[in-house]
Amino acid sequence: EPEVTQTPSHQVTQMGQEVILRCVPISNHLYFYWYRQILGQKVEFLVSFYNNEISEKSEIFDDQFSVERPDGSNFTLKIRSTKLEDSAMYFCASSRVQSENEKLFFGSGTQLSVL
Amino acid sequence: LAKTTQPISMDSYEGQEVNITCSHNNIATNDYITWYQQFPSQGPRFIIQGYKTKVTNEVASLFIPADRKSSTLSLPRVSLSDTAVYYCLVGDPMNTGFQKLVFGTGTRLLVSP
Repeated sequence: EPEVTQTPSHQVTQMGQEVILRCVPISNHLYFYWYRQILGQKVEFLVSFYNNEISEKSEIFDDQFSVERPDGSNFTLKIRSTKLEDSAMYFCASSRVQSENEKLFFGSGTQLSVL
Repeated sequence: LAKTTQPISMDSYEGQEVNITCSHNNIATNDYITWYQQFPSQGPRFIIQGYKTKVTNEVASLFIPADRKSSTLSLPRVSLSDTAVYYCLVGDPMNTGFQKLVFGTGTRLLVSP
């Protein structure tokens, strides 16, 4: 089965530093997403991205967050100035189309620890 | 999106059939029912989706009664590797805004030898 790959698997950073989380979605997918899961809590939607622009974002996705598809394969999430509460597992996901029976494919995640 | 209620946890033994029921009393006409599985330190993985009656794939079956106010995920002959959190999601894929999935707390299934 095709996979969404995420790098790095673990990222440790100091509070206030910028981090970039990287994802390679499945090659023929057109819709891209970031979700996050704080330890012991629910998986939360952050943002969806289609046709090189954000299609929807949650209240979590404030001005400190940005997404980009810099080339034809990578999809990145940038946090400009990390806070302690940004510590979480970040999941990238992609889907081929938006249709009634379409499923999301999630990556294995990047565990971000902000110290 | 319709609110879902499912058991917090379930225990089973290898080889048994496991049925996890999800209540969604406020399900709307256009809503589909989708189940995802999540292993520790992994992203959620799609298991099955249905609208009514019964759906079966190589992994599981999904039973949906006529009133659609609940659904049951059935895992035949579970193994230790089925230990995971199982999420029931209900919503209209065309109206949730590009698959903005709303996860609940899920059901933590523990399979023992």
